[in-house]
Amino acid sequence: GAVVSQHPSRVICKSGTSVKIECRSLDFQATTMFWYRQFPKQSLMLMATSNEGSKATYEQGVEKDKFLINHASLTLSTLTVTSAHPEDSSFYICSASPRTGYNQPQHFGDGTRLSIL
Amino acid sequence: DQQVKQNSPSLSVQEGRISILNCDYTNSMFDYFLWYKKYPAEGPTFLISISSIKDKNEDGRFTVFLNKSAKHLSLHIVPSQPGDSAVYFCAAPGGGADGLTFGKGTHLIIQP
Repeated sequence: GAVVSQHPSRVICKSGTSVKIECRSLDFQATTMFWYRQFPKQSLMLMATSNEGSKATYEQGVEKDKFLINHASLTLSTLTVTSAHPEDSSFYICSASPRTGYNQPQHFGDGTRLSIL
Repeated sequence: DQQVKQNSPSLSVQEGRISILNCDYTNSMFDYFLWYKKYPAEGPTFLISISSIKDKNEDGRFTVFLNKSAKHLSLHIVPSQPGDSAVYFCAAPGGGADGLTFGKGTHLIIQP
C-alpha cells in the first residue's frame, strides 16, 4: 500500500538551530502534501499545505517565515523550522495521498519529535 | 474553537466486548468523516470513513454511524481485540485544500 516516509524521527537541538524534516512518498507521486503539528494532549493541527512547484499554503496563525516548506519534487516535501526555540518543541507529521480529492484518505509518516533545549 | 471534538480522552473495554468511540462536530459544512488509528511512535493509519449521504458504513469489525442532525458520529468495534488498543482520531476534511481537521483522540485500552 501507499507509504509515506518521514525523517528524522527525533531531533534534540539547541535553541536557535534550524531543523529540516523530510517527507517522502515512497511508491506514489503526490502533488500535495500536508504538514501537521501536535502538542501534548492536543489534536493534530494542520500547519500548511505543500504544493509541488509552487508556494505552500499556510493555515492562520502559522508563520511562513518560521516554517519554511519546499516541495521540490512529486515525492519530497521538506519542512524547515528556522531558528527554533523551546516553544517550537512538538510532534510534526506529514501526510500525502496518491489521489487528489477531499475524500481520499491521507497516508501519514511516522512523525518527528522535535525537542528544543 | 474545536470543530471536531472527542470528549473522552480514554476508554477501557474488555476483550470480546464492543468498543464505542464518539465524535462530535460543529461545522455543518463537513460532509465526509474519517477515523484513524495510531500506535505509539507511528503515524495515524486510515481505518474507515463515511460520507454524509450515508448513516452507516461497515468494514469487518468496524462500523461507523453518522447522525447528521445531532452532528455526531461513532465508531463501533466488535468484538474488541487486544491489537485494537491504540489512539483513535476522528477527522473531517476542512483544512486547506484537502487537509484534515482532527479531534484530540481517544485512547482505547482493551483489557484481557
